[in-house]
Amino acid sequence: GAGVSQTPSNKVTEKGKYVELRCDPISGHTALYWYRQSLGQGPEFLIYFQGTGAADDSGLPNDRFFAVRPEGSVSTLKIQRTERGDSAVYLCASSPLGGAYPTGELFFGEGSRLTVL
Amino acid sequence: GQNIDQPTEMTATEGAIVQINCTYQTSGFNGLFWYQQHAGEAPTFLSYNVLDGLEEKGRFSSFLSRSKGYSYLLLKELQMKDSASYLCAVSSNTGKLIFGQGTTLQVKP
Repeated sequence: GAGVSQTPSNKVTEKGKYVELRCDPISGHTALYWYRQSLGQGPEFLIYFQGTGAADDSGLPNDRFFAVRPEGSVSTLKIQRTERGDSAVYLCASSPLGGAYPTGELFFGEGSRLTVL
Repeated sequence: GQNIDQPTEMTATEGAIVQINCTYQTSGFNGLFWYQQHAGEAPTFLSYNVLDGLEEKGRFSSFLSRSKGYSYLLLKELQMKDSASYLCAVSSNTGKLIFGQGTTLQVKP
């Protein structure tokens, strides 16, 4: 498809386990964003890539969270030693140019719902 | 840092007009965005303002005042399908896009 693809769509895991969430952006989009969203809240910024490098990772809550984008396309968000508070929908979005310029449009995937028991 | 405030909930009647306000404080500014999010779905882009003034797109308009750190989204001729969450988001100079908590709009017949 032509949109942003995220896998898995649903992930249930136990406290303390390791989780990987994958994002396949729209082909050619240089900017890639990760957000997480809890029920009734807006998306919370985690990290933003421009190409292969993390342009801003100030939203990662702690060192259990890590994200990579080795070839400037697919990105993986990695969560170690999961906690119940990590349960949320993790959204990925891509944009054709950095800094959400010129139109500001981010194209979002459908999200990965993570449940930590 | 950045702070974005918008009302949590609003209710309006089908066919009416509703204005959703957003105030923001940011250390760098590269534009303000409005997104729509239906329950259980991903956000979709509605509008983008980088200069002061009103941007109109069909039934939706968005206004920005950079000096006041203020924006609003105006929805005209409300339809039942407009029931959704409306997210205000601010882009910093680095390209980081921060969202507000969202305003849940309920349109009643």
